[in-house]
Amino acid sequence: KAGVTQTPRYLIKTRGQQVTLSCSPISGHRSVSWYQQTPGQGLQFLFEYFSETQRNKGNFPGRFSGRQFSNSRSEMNVSTLELGDSALYLCASSLAVGQGRSPLHFGNGTRLTVT
Amino acid sequence: AQTVTQSQPEMSVQEAETVTLSCTYDTSESDYYLFWYKQPPSRQMILVIRQEAYKQQNATENRFSVNFQKAAKSFSLKISDSQLGDAAMYFCAYTSGTYKYIFGTGTRLKVLA
Repeated sequence: KAGVTQTPRYLIKTRGQQVTLSCSPISGHRSVSWYQQTPGQGLQFLFEYFSETQRNKGNFPGRFSGRQFSNSRSEMNVSTLELGDSALYLCASSLAVGQGRSPLHFGNGTRLTVT
Repeated sequence: AQTVTQSQPEMSVQEAETVTLSCTYDTSESDYYLFWYKQPPSRQMILVIRQEAYKQQNATENRFSVNFQKAAKSFSLKISDSQLGDAAMYFCAYTSGTYKYIFGTGTRLKVLA
């Protein structure tokens, strides 16, 4: 079974631009979560989608948005990029049959650098 | 609010020796799940072990085991017979079924040959 696939692996953008990251979950997984990982803040929850609906959102500004498609693939968008958005963005999928009973399975992440 | 604390930014262990990574958490929930994830340089977070709070028995996965002390809100990871491939960042994580996980800041484990 293929794992969680994130594309691209690396991105370099300039301030003010926008970026879209993609995540394909494990086949059969309907929940997709996004996390931002930085050396100073660790892993911070961005949002979680299930059946194309956002179920929970972390404490990030509205510049961070996402969506999920009917095939469970998810995209995350960041508009008006700031230097502080430079981070590793991790996507995770799960069966979502009660969050803890179905652990998160992570992708390799997208390394975003904003210059 | 729930919090997860890993007080050891870095640990070292000799190959074949045993090491214990510490994690404490704070919650008012009675039903929750705790995890240890490993993140090697490849960046992919890999589930190491999971513990359900209502289970008294400590979880074990091969060379990895936990010491779960619910009253003390402590969840440490013991790695026995350490191998070079165990070198990675280790994250403790908590969820109570609210669709998000809370992660600690991580412990970097170095394995010395």
